[in-house]
Amino acid sequence: EPEVTQTPSHQVTQMGQEVILRCVPISNHLYFYWYRQILGQKVEFLVSFYNNEISEKSEIFDDQFSVERPDGSNFTLKIRSTKLEDSAMYFCASKRDRGEEKLFFGSGTQLSVL
Amino acid sequence: QQPVQSPQAVILREGEDAVINCSSSKALYSVHWYRQKHGEAPVFLMILLKGGEQKGHDKISASFNEKKQQSSLYLTASQLSYSGTYFCGTERANFGNEKLTFGTGTRLTIIP
Repeated sequence: EPEVTQTPSHQVTQMGQEVILRCVPISNHLYFYWYRQILGQKVEFLVSFYNNEISEKSEIFDDQFSVERPDGSNFTLKIRSTKLEDSAMYFCASKRDRGEEKLFFGSGTQLSVL
Repeated sequence: QQPVQSPQAVILREGEDAVINCSSSKALYSVHWYRQKHGEAPVFLMILLKGGEQKGHDKISASFNEKKQQSSLYLTASQLSYSGTYFCGTERANFGNEKLTFGTGTRLTIIP
């Protein structure tokens, strides 16, 4: 089965530093998402992206967050100035089309902010 | 608003059955079910669309009651491999970029 690929699998950073989390969605997919999961908690929506622009973003996705699809294959999440509470597992997900389509999740990037 | 799942946690012996419920206060277009093992990504189980359908494969099935905005996941004759946290994800509309809103999760532990 095709896979969503995320790198790195683990990222440790100092508070206030910028991080970029990278994702390669499945090649023929059109809709892209970032979710995050704080340890032991539910999976929370951050942002959805379609046709090279943000479709929707949650309250979590403030001015410190941004997303890009710079080259038609990569899909990145940037956190400009990390805070301790940004520590979480970040999942990228994609789906092919609207309607009855499942979300394919990547294996996640565990971000630890010290 | 996130869907609410019940129970929060359940422990079963291998071979027993379980039901996990997912309720929303908003009208839903679809319900998705995922299972997540510790430290891994959620794995898709099935989608149910409004219309009150029921689906299943192997010993895992689910139903969707559109009027009540509720879905239930049924696990019969549970196996050790069923252990994990189960999340329902809901969509309120059939827009392509509609997000999935995940429920609070149900931790299922199967013991031999």
